[in-house]
Amino acid sequence: DAGVIQSPRHEVTEMGQEVTLRCKPISGHDYLFWYRQTMMRGLELLIYFNNNVPIDDSGMPEDRFSAKMPNASFSTLKIQPSEPRDSAVYFCASSLGAGNTEAFFGQGTRLTVV
Amino acid sequence: SQQGEEDPQALSIQEGENATMNCSYKTSINNLQWYRQNSGRGLVHLILIRSNEREKHSGRLRVTLDTSKKSSSLLITASRAADTASYFCATPYGGSQGNLIFGKGTKLSVKP
Repeated sequence: DAGVIQSPRHEVTEMGQEVTLRCKPISGHDYLFWYRQTMMRGLELLIYFNNNVPIDDSGMPEDRFSAKMPNASFSTLKIQPSEPRDSAVYFCASSLGAGNTEAFFGQGTRLTVV
Repeated sequence: SQQGEEDPQALSIQEGENATMNCSYKTSINNLQWYRQNSGRGLVHLILIRSNEREKHSGRLRVTLDTSKKSSSLLITASRAADTASYFCATPYGGSQGNLIFGKGTKLSVKP
């Protein structure tokens, strides 16, 4: 397996634009996590899915953020409209057993909103 | 916040020395994990220690867990320049223990 695959690796967009980040988890993993990493706040859990169903989205900062998992092999994180304070590295991770097992991270998407 | 908190925030040592990083957490857990992040990369899992374990080894890594003190330590022995990275502890959180919450990490610099 190629691991968790995220795209794009880098995204630069203008304030107000819609941004869509994509993730392909490792095949067979039932859990998928979206994290955001900044210098100030560290690694924050935004939302996680179990078997394609969102379980906890309490970390999603605002209604501008939404995440979907239409099937077991694909998830998106959308920001609409984007703002400069959304600039961060966004990571997707997948695991077999939630917080009780190893999580595998993608390489991240570095988002810059200007 | 229910995050683990690593200590120190930054650590600089010479190659060959040992590096010790600590993590404290707030809630009861059934396991604690350590991850490494190289600059510009994703996190990589290092080791998982369960609540009924006190110590675990993996190569040059040694992890301890003290559930009574809600703390863990990561020891890297005979450090190498390639160990330069940020190290994070992670704990499950929430009713279903489904969330995996990370601390802010210890930035380790190993000088050759």
